Amino acid sequence: AQKITQTQPGMFVQEKEAVTLDCTYDTSDPSYGLFWYKQPSSGEMIFLIYQGSYDQQNATEGRYSLNFQKARKSANLVISASQLGDSAMYFCAMREIQGAQKLVFGQGTRLTINP
Amino acid sequence: DGGITQSPKYLFRKEGQNVTLSCEQNLNHDAMYWYRQDPGQGLRLIYYSQIVNDFQKGDIAEGYSVSREKKESFPLTVTSAQKNPTAFYLCASMDVRGHLNTEAFFGQGTRLTVV
Repeated sequence: AQKITQTQPGMFVQEKEAVTLDCTYDTSDPSYGLFWYKQPSSGEMIFLIYQGSYDQQNATEGRYSLNFQKARKSANLVISASQLGDSAMYFCAMREIQGAQKLVFGQGTRLTINP
Repeated sequence: DGGITQSPKYLFRKEGQNVTLSCEQNLNHDAMYWYRQDPGQGLRLIYYSQIVNDFQKGDIAEGYSVSREKKESFPLTVTSAQKNPTAFYLCASMDVRGHLNTEAFFGQGTRLTVV
């Protein structure tokens, strides 16, 4: 069964520092996609970055990058040069290509950027 | 503009009443999802649907029901059997036609409160 685990309930980081948010997953499907979303206090879900199970390189999108370690089944999000506006909940999610297209999320990490 | 719309934004329900949350998308997506989010928690999957007239239970389906009579619409009914329905409900849709790298699009959410 699909499972996503985020072990950091909360993270506190100084502005302009880099931060890594952890995500581990479990699946028996060789084909899957991993996603990261940001949820500000408004509640909206903002897509940040995607990593496919067969992608050879780690995904990057501006200040966001994904540290994908397939053998360890981890997909950590790295935010470089953090900004005050990065304060939010961050969710890791996974979708398997086989089966019923289930999309499951982790418990989330609340990131707080301090000035 | 294409998007996914949830209504209403806020909903109050008396104990023992059923209530239906609306979710409409014009993105031509086949897959649609309903999630429940409790304060400070992750997204838990209630129901999902890959195609019209078909849907599957997620991890917390008890006390909820759905229908998928049209591709664009995936309403969620919170029944009186749901013991603790006060939560934030998010609807999402996704293009799952063979692609793994397409993200899910979310509505703005419905905040349900039982009074």
